[in-house]
Amino acid sequence: DQQVKQNSPSLSVQEGRISILNCDYTNSMFDYFLWYKKYPAEGPTFLISISSIKDKNEDGRFTVFLNKSAKHLSLHIVPSQPGDSAVYFCAASEGTDKLIFGTGTRLQVFP
Amino acid sequence: NAGVTQTPKFQVLKTGQSMTLQCAQDMNHNSMYWYRQDPGMGLRLIYYSASEGTTDKGEVPNGYNVSRLNKREFSLRLESAAPSQTSVYFCASSETANQPQHFGDGTRLSIL
Repeated sequence: DQQVKQNSPSLSVQEGRISILNCDYTNSMFDYFLWYKKYPAEGPTFLISISSIKDKNEDGRFTVFLNKSAKHLSLHIVPSQPGDSAVYFCAASEGTDKLIFGTGTRLQVFP
Repeated sequence: NAGVTQTPKFQVLKTGQSMTLQCAQDMNHNSMYWYRQDPGMGLRLIYYSASEGTTDKGEVPNGYNVSRLNKREFSLRLESAAPSQTSVYFCASSETANQPQHFGDGTRLSIL
């Protein structure tokens, strides 16, 4: 049973607009959430994280929102740039070393 | 600063052969991890090591063994490779639990 779900396999956004990537989870014990970006033939790169005591964390163009009651996480990228085209994974853990990853969303940013 | 280095980058094996995937990190991290990535499955944790001298099973440990050789190195061994183990394998490290993990570029393994 998948504990972390990314229901949109792909997303296409025009350069300069906002990209919103979504992630849902089922385990209410998760207390730490992360987003990773992955380019082809490379390993995932850490983007941004949030702990369950917060509902928002911002880092430059990237903002992560956490809605604990809905068990929903989202990543906003504003403004989107062509270099943001990649696969984005959300991940979650419950205070341990074990990260549970979603299946990823492929973002394409076009001119 | 190399970060996390995995060797080899590519490998083709025959069913039943054995192989060790190597991983080394130069960030003085305590925790190290092995994942596999399959199409449509995301990354799944095989084994991890919270500190030198300890290892624990992840989601999909069957068919694999690991060794935390020292603080820098964490190897993954396939004793008798099976086609179901065809995958991309990623090693990662983090300072401690609940810290972002840093990944290597992966080993693409095909088992015929």
